[in-house]
Amino acid sequence: AQSVTQPDIHITVSEGASLELRCNYSYGATPYLFWYVQSPGQGLQLLLKYFSGDTLVQGIKGFEAEFKRSQSSFNLRKPSVHWSDAAEYFCAVGPRGGGFKTIFGAGTRLFVKA
Amino acid sequence: DAGVTQSPTHLIKTRGQHVTLRCSPISGHKSVSWYQQVLGQGPQFIFQYYEKEERGRGNFPDRFSARQFPNYSSELNVNALLLGDSALYLCASRRDNSGANVLTFGAGSRLTVL
Repeated sequence: AQSVTQPDIHITVSEGASLELRCNYSYGATPYLFWYVQSPGQGLQLLLKYFSGDTLVQGIKGFEAEFKRSQSSFNLRKPSVHWSDAAEYFCAVGPRGGGFKTIFGAGTRLFVKA
Repeated sequence: DAGVTQSPTHLIKTRGQHVTLRCSPISGHKSVSWYQQVLGQGPQFIFQYYEKEERGRGNFPDRFSARQFPNYSSELNVNALLLGDSALYLCASRRDNSGANVLTFGAGSRLTVL
């Protein structure tokens, strides 16, 4: 079955500290991989995506993610968190070669303390 | 350029009623997808339409239906509302049916069923 697992329901980090949000997926073949962010009451905004090539991808707002095929993981990182990064983060996978269904994880809520 | 627009932003219905949610994609985007996001969970795929044809359907009952119009806007209809239908309904558009084109989300329609 196709699925995305985000093991951490919520994470609290201090402002200025580093951040890593975990994501594992189960899929028939290597899918397209995405991270989205959702602020309260808002839709989802794309942070970054992985299609092919370099397994370390850079996104907006200083975020990066690393694809590890052997671990079926796509973890999101940021070296120094800002208070404005507090939000919910969703990892998602989508089919290559066309298709319609993007599967989302349950999300990780990030809290930032001063 | 206008992003994905959804209406209404909030609505309250009672059990057994019907609801219609509307979505206008980004100009030039021909594919529209609908997702249901229950509080505390990730978005769940409901439908995708491309070129006015249904291209995919998630695991939702027949009470859920949708259509896409010649101008590529879309409606999601839900009949015989249940309390469990309370959720944020997200519309997303992309240029075509390729998985390489990322989804751009609207801010959503918040449905409360009493």
